[in-house]
Amino acid sequence: DAGVIQSPRHEVTEMGQEVTLRCKLISGHNSLFWYRQTMMRGLELLIYFNNNVPIDDSGMPEDRFSAKMPNASFSTLKIQPSEPRDSAVYFCASSLVSGGPDTQYFGPGTRLTVL
Amino acid sequence: GDSVTQMEGPVTLSEEAFLTINCTYTATGYPSLFWYVQYPGEGLQLLLKATKADDKGSNKGFEATYRKETTSFHLEKGSVQVSDSAVYFCALPLSGNTGKLIFGQGTTLQVKP
Repeated sequence: DAGVIQSPRHEVTEMGQEVTLRCKLISGHNSLFWYRQTMMRGLELLIYFNNNVPIDDSGMPEDRFSAKMPNASFSTLKIQPSEPRDSAVYFCASSLVSGGPDTQYFGPGTRLTVL
Repeated sequence: GDSVTQMEGPVTLSEEAFLTINCTYTATGYPSLFWYVQYPGEGLQLLLKATKADDKGSNKGFEATYRKETTSFHLEKGSVQVSDSAVYFCALPLSGNTGKLIFGQGTTLQVKP
């Protein structure tokens, strides 16, 4: 079975440019989580969705960040305009929330560098 | 609110040494507990879990026992290898069946040959 797929794996862009990160969930999963990881702040939850509906976006740092789930298997995280402080590794994770001990499955991450 | 506290890292050990990484939690009720591992350059992956008090999760030589009396879920391994060098995260689910996990800050383990 394919795991969570993220693209691109690496992104280098200049300040002010729009960046779009993509994530494909594991087939059959119904929840999607976007995280950001930096040395300074560690692992931070940005936003998560259940059944395509955003449940909690309180971790989104500011209005420059937006996330969508256009369908049940795909999500995007957009940063517009990007800033150097957005440089980080961005992970998405998917899960099947079924009332039990729900395991999150992480993608390999997108390493974003904003110059 | 619910929270997870892990011991500060980094932890540096020689190969074949005994490993303990402490994790304590604060939660309502008795949630499932998880340990995730992140190898260099990769995403997090589930290492082991325990679903109720006194359960022991185990995988790849690692073990952790769910202790409700001490609200702890310490990770142990009897003999570490260089390949165990990674960041280890303790986690518990947020109540409400959302699937959201509350992660500890992570503990870096470095094993030297």
